[in-house]
Amino acid sequence: RKEVEQDPGPFNVPEGATVAFNCTYSNSASQSFFWYRQDCRKEPKLLMSVYSSGNEDGRFTAQLNRASQYISLLIRDSKLSDSATYLCVEARGKLIFGQGTTLQVKP
Amino acid sequence: DGGITQSPKYLFRKEGQNVTLSCEQNLNHDAMYWYRQDPGQGLRLIYYSQIVNDFQKGDIAEGYSVSREKKESFPLTVTSAQKNPTAFYLCASSIRGQGRNTEAFFGQGTRLTVV
Repeated sequence: RKEVEQDPGPFNVPEGATVAFNCTYSNSASQSFFWYRQDCRKEPKLLMSVYSSGNEDGRFTAQLNRASQYISLLIRDSKLSDSATYLCVEARGKLIFGQGTTLQVKP
Repeated sequence: DGGITQSPKYLFRKEGQNVTLSCEQNLNHDAMYWYRQDPGQGLRLIYYSQIVNDFQKGDIAEGYSVSREKKESFPLTVTSAQKNPTAFYLCASSIRGQGRNTEAFFGQGTRLTVV
């Protein structure tokens, strides 16, 4: 089993839709998680940190569920510019990336 | 202007040659990382370093070597032993503290092509 697992997608959604991604992790002791966004042929960029209490930034909401060992990313009112690959990251001494979930927002 | 810089952006190498990819950061970060990304794939960890003069192998260290002689620099050498070196190489850095790492910042990457 991979340490961090994501559904690769692609998720194809219309503009304005709400879409959610999950990411599971295997180490119950892990404490730090992040969501990154990666555009085609570019470096990943931090989207948001994931806190136990949840974290919201505009249209984006990240949640951590320790009991079930997963983190989630919710995007509301999807824009065309949200089209990208979203990477889930677990940080415990080293940074462990999931495979990424591809989102395509269509007009 | 703080950040993390990788060079060169594009690199071509003949089979059988070693090549060194540069990664420099002026963020005063303790931890630095090297990842490899193949088309349509996620990031795979090659090596990482939590502190100067110390580094650990990641998941795919074979055929690669690193050094961490200075806090701001973490060069990666792709040796001739790496059987399939053509890939996108990403360097990152983060603050390290209290047994956990904060968010990482990435350089723009180096695209290595073996010809």
